[in-house]
Amino acid sequence: QVQLVQSGSELKKPGASVKVSCKASGYTFTSYAMTWVRQAPGRGLEWMGWINTNTGNPTYAQGFRGRFVFSLDTSVSTAFLQISSLKVEDTAVYYCAREVWTAAVKSYWFGPWGQGTLVTVSS
Amino acid sequence: DIQMTQSPSSLSASVGDRVTITCRASQTTSNHLNWYQQRPGTAPKLLIFAASNLQSGVPSRFSGSGSGTDFTLTINSLQPEDSATYYCQQSYSTPRTFGQGTNVEIK
Repeated sequence: QVQLVQSGSELKKPGASVKVSCKASGYTFTSYAMTWVRQAPGRGLEWMGWINTNTGNPTYAQGFRGRFVFSLDTSVSTAFLQISSLKVEDTAVYYCAREVWTAAVKSYWFGPWGQGTLVTVSS
Repeated sequence: DIQMTQSPSSLSASVGDRVTITCRASQTTSNHLNWYQQRPGTAPKLLIFAASNLQSGVPSRFSGSGSGTDFTLTINSLQPEDSATYYCQQSYSTPRTFGQGTNVEIK
């Protein structure tokens, strides 16, 4: 079945870097874009951007430009999110999700989602 | 950017009740509106795509309607497992944006 499996929780100090992985299975990885969503503790969902899995071209939402980098390893059907110069306010659960186009209704939606990776930034 | 506003922010209802959540966009999104359910401690799950299309495997008590700027998610005959936060999301333009969420509690 179609599945996204993310790497485990991370505890980092301010100023450090972290790399979260999202491994896809059950479908052709390069046929669908991958999106990233952040959820701070007790807060809602925030779209961070997406990466074209064919070209590797990323698009970042405002607020996620500079310290956040999306990348791919298509040989192992895996997307990555790297965050550098971590701040306490980066503490959140980070989700990857496949973006699907349904031709019958000409619309996009997210599914499935990875299980989420908790990144905690604390001194 | 298209702003998505949900109401109410939270509600409490009894098993068997009919529940309605609304989502308003700051500009038209045509029918490009999706609904997700997020149970505590788990990832969001797609319920409805393109405003009114039920995702495979989702119980038929869930339904969506609307177009343009005003949308509704309805849960007919609320069940205990429907206790969750529900989010609308527009896919009309980039950046994709979510509503702030509606927390549904079972009385």
